[in-house]
Amino acid sequence: EVQLVESGGGLVQPGGSLRLSCEASGFNFINYGMNWVRQAPGKGLEWVAHISSSSSSIYYADSVKGRFTISRDNAKNSLYLQMNSLKAEDTAVYYCARGTCGGGSCYSSWGQGTLVTVSS
Amino acid sequence: QSALTQPASVSGSPGQSITISCTGTSSDVGGYNYVSWYQQHPGKAPKLMIYDVSNRPSGVSNRFSGSKSDNTASLTISGLQAEDEADYYCSSYTTSSTPHVVFGGGTKLTVL
Repeated sequence: EVQLVESGGGLVQPGGSLRLSCEASGFNFINYGMNWVRQAPGKGLEWVAHISSSSSSIYYADSVKGRFTISRDNAKNSLYLQMNSLKAEDTAVYYCARGTCGGGSCYSSWGQGTLVTVSS
Repeated sequence: QSALTQPASVSGSPGQSITISCTGTSSDVGGYNYVSWYQQHPGKAPKLMIYDVSNRPSGVSNRFSGSKSDNTASLTISGLQAEDEADYYCSSYTTSSTPHVVFGGGTKLTVL
């Protein structure tokens, strides 16, 4: 069974930093591109970042570019999101999602999400 | 990175059919057959219901179907059931800036 388990969320002050982790199991992690998708309270889904299976391709949403860094450790079956210079508008549930389908464009498996709250 | 356009809400009675539209541009929906649909119940993670415009993952009911015409994709749910009440999001591969995925704003489906 495919499982994605996020951790690392919490309350952080504006301008602060947080590192999210996503531990994968039940599939060959090294074969899949991975993504972070977030959802602000009461709002829709927003793609945040993508990393290819070998980390050779990395993309970010304009809203987080220069502040967030996605990375992965295939030996540990883990995905990470380093979030710096956090803003109130970064408050959201952050999901890690496995990319499949054409162009890695669909997310067939999701974690349960971890809540990040940016507030003073 | 503009979101795809979906109606905010749709409703239908049990047994009826409903369709949710998802409008984009030639850089996303119209340019690629990489449209997906997700179902999200309150407090839960999204669930993939349709991928590559019209394909259903294993285990998804055949009451769910997808299609696309030009820059607009559609999700149709036939034989509405109470458990179909949820938020639905479309998404598409896009190359409008960096290659990535763009989501629609979401549609709240109410089963009357």
